[in-house]
Amino acid sequence: DTAVSQTPKYLVTQMGNDKSIKCEQNLGHDTMYWYKQDSKKFLKIMFSYNNKELIINETVPNRFSPKSPDKAHLNLHINSLELGDSAVYFCASSQEGTGYDTEAFFGQGTRLTVV
Amino acid sequence: AQSVSQHNHHVILSEAASLELGCNYSYGGTVNLFWYVQYPGQHLQLLLKYFSGDPLVKGIKGFEAEFIKSKFSFNLRKPSVQWSDTAEYFCAVTPSYSSASKIIFGSGTRLSIRP
Repeated sequence: DTAVSQTPKYLVTQMGNDKSIKCEQNLGHDTMYWYKQDSKKFLKIMFSYNNKELIINETVPNRFSPKSPDKAHLNLHINSLELGDSAVYFCASSQEGTGYDTEAFFGQGTRLTVV
Repeated sequence: AQSVSQHNHHVILSEAASLELGCNYSYGGTVNLFWYVQYPGQHLQLLLKYFSGDPLVKGIKGFEAEFIKSKFSFNLRKPSVQWSDTAEYFCAVTPSYSSASKIIFGSGTRLSIRP
């Protein structure tokens, strides 16, 4: 039973399109994240979100918007896709809380290719 | 600001060789430290973590890492590598007792094992 699952695994689309990537976690965690891994394998956090707060990395273009229908899901919507958006996007989750030392659990990634 | 440096970008070893991957971090306070592994085409998996206590931590698949506070280092070791260890390895750090959203990853080290 996959703990953090993302769909689709691969996504090829044309410039200018709008696309969404879905993420679901069954770990009961209250915080979810989106990371971007570029072609050089560099990982960078884009968003973190829990029931109370959305934290947006200020370097992320506003064409990217996270949507969370409930605490088990955090979808990533991307408008007007650009060539530079091509990357692997990882969803992750963790259990937050005062005094907790937390670790993140990752999904399998979505390889987005913009042509 | 905290940062993580992995100076070895690509390491090539033969099977049965010993492995040590370097990781240095920059942060003034106490930290949690992680090593993640990413096998080809797969998601990140936690190899091991250090939160407190014994600075020598043992992880899965025979890996271990030693936290040396005076050197701000958390090097990953394995006495005898296997071909199946071929992967990308990421060191990561967060301030202690903080949200996983503050996790910072190093740029990764690609490990290639010759059969």
